[in-house]
Amino acid sequence: KQEVTQIPAALSVPEGENLVLNCSFTDSAIYNLQWFRQDPGKGLTSLLLIQSSQREQTSGRLNASLDKSSGRSTLYIAASQPGDSATYLCAPQWYSGGGADGLTFGKGTHLIIQP
Amino acid sequence: KAGVTQTPRYLIKTRGQQVTLSCSPISGHRSVSWYQQTPGQGLQFLFEYFSETQRNKGNFPGRFSGRQFSNSRSEMNVSTLELGDSALYLCASSARITGELYNEQFFGPGTRLTVL
Repeated sequence: KQEVTQIPAALSVPEGENLVLNCSFTDSAIYNLQWFRQDPGKGLTSLLLIQSSQREQTSGRLNASLDKSSGRSTLYIAASQPGDSATYLCAPQWYSGGGADGLTFGKGTHLIIQP
Repeated sequence: KAGVTQTPRYLIKTRGQQVTLSCSPISGHRSVSWYQQTPGQGLQFLFEYFSETQRNKGNFPGRFSGRQFSNSRSEMNVSTLELGDSALYLCASSARITGELYNEQFFGPGTRLTVL
């Protein structure tokens, strides 16, 4: 069974710090990996999508890297702001013989940026 | 471009009833997936529809079913509701590159279902 682990489960830092969120997955044969943020009671907002052939993707202050061989991805947030406070979810997608599987989610990292 | 929309946003039902949730994908997207989110189990994949056909299914009982219409809109039905079905139900749409492979998935705001 494919599993996704996110570390840390929670993180509280002062505004302006650079931080790294970690995601590991048990089966390295992924098709792609998405990072999302979720605000309380809301749906998911897609942040970055990394295809299996890519090593990293960047969007603004966000950079996500992917190391398939070790089953790891990291999300780097530069110059954090209070508006970045949310739960961050990592979701690899695997491809099985019958087609693409649904996204498998980690439990998330609950991030609080202190003003 | 309008995002993924879900109706209703909130729903209260009693045990034993059935419920139907609706999802309209982003225009041009033909793949719709459904997910259940609970505090205990987190986000779990229910099923995915593409071109009106169920392409993939998660590990949920047969009480959970769905369908997709020719305009790609999708409905999810839960029969004989149980207390444990209380959750946030999220719908995601995607533009498949080919018949088998996914592109980026975009989520709707969800339907909050409470079973009393």
